[in-house]
Amino acid sequence: GAGVSQSPSNKVTEKGKDVELRCDPISGHTALYWYRQSLGQGLEFLIYFQGNSAPDKSGLPSDRFSAERTGGSVSTLTIQRTQQEDSAVYLCASAVYSNQPQHFGDGTRLSIL
Amino acid sequence: GENVEQHPSTLSVQEGDSAVIKCTYSDSASNYFPWYKQELGKRPQLIIDIRSNVGEKKDQRIAVTLNKTAKHFSLHITETQPEDSAVYFCAAMDSSYKLIFGSGTRLLVRP
Repeated sequence: GAGVSQSPSNKVTEKGKDVELRCDPISGHTALYWYRQSLGQGLEFLIYFQGNSAPDKSGLPSDRFSAERTGGSVSTLTIQRTQQEDSAVYLCASAVYSNQPQHFGDGTRLSIL
Repeated sequence: GENVEQHPSTLSVQEGDSAVIKCTYSDSASNYFPWYKQELGKRPQLIIDIRSNVGEKKDQRIAVTLNKTAKHFSLHITETQPEDSAVYFCAAMDSSYKLIFGSGTRLLVRP
């Protein structure tokens, strides 16, 4: 596709529910990154994939967060038992390779009631 | 690990004036430094980047300078226009290829 595509664009859910966020990177990009941006704040690294493997998961806030990538393309970020502090915009970025410029999607705005 | 500090947090300039945003980083192994512009409700957009083997890079009204010894880099915008108003983020790529972002600078260009 022309750019990084994320879905859904908005998600409202109740505390305690599980949510799944999807990222479709730019075609041919081997590296994929997830970041979180709280209201009015900077970007916080969560996890990155090179191909299907995740060399760095150090940013995942807790074991309620997990991510996977299959086929070297689409990635899903799953948050289990959501909490109100999980409310944020979740941004995905992709790059041709891990040391190359990263290009962002529009993000998923997650609101936990 | 890497830590990036960004100043100022807000910057207001008159249209036509220059704007400078500064960042410092802590990890001397970092070797790639991009700058992103984020308009309200939009995705961060890469506007310019620099690698550690280069001291300066320009693209029309935008330039970035890097001082590896002092571990700081700066964004310079000349002849500012109202459409330059946005939040600007600097970042440094650490040795494990993840970007560590600064806290952002809100730039307002007054017409």
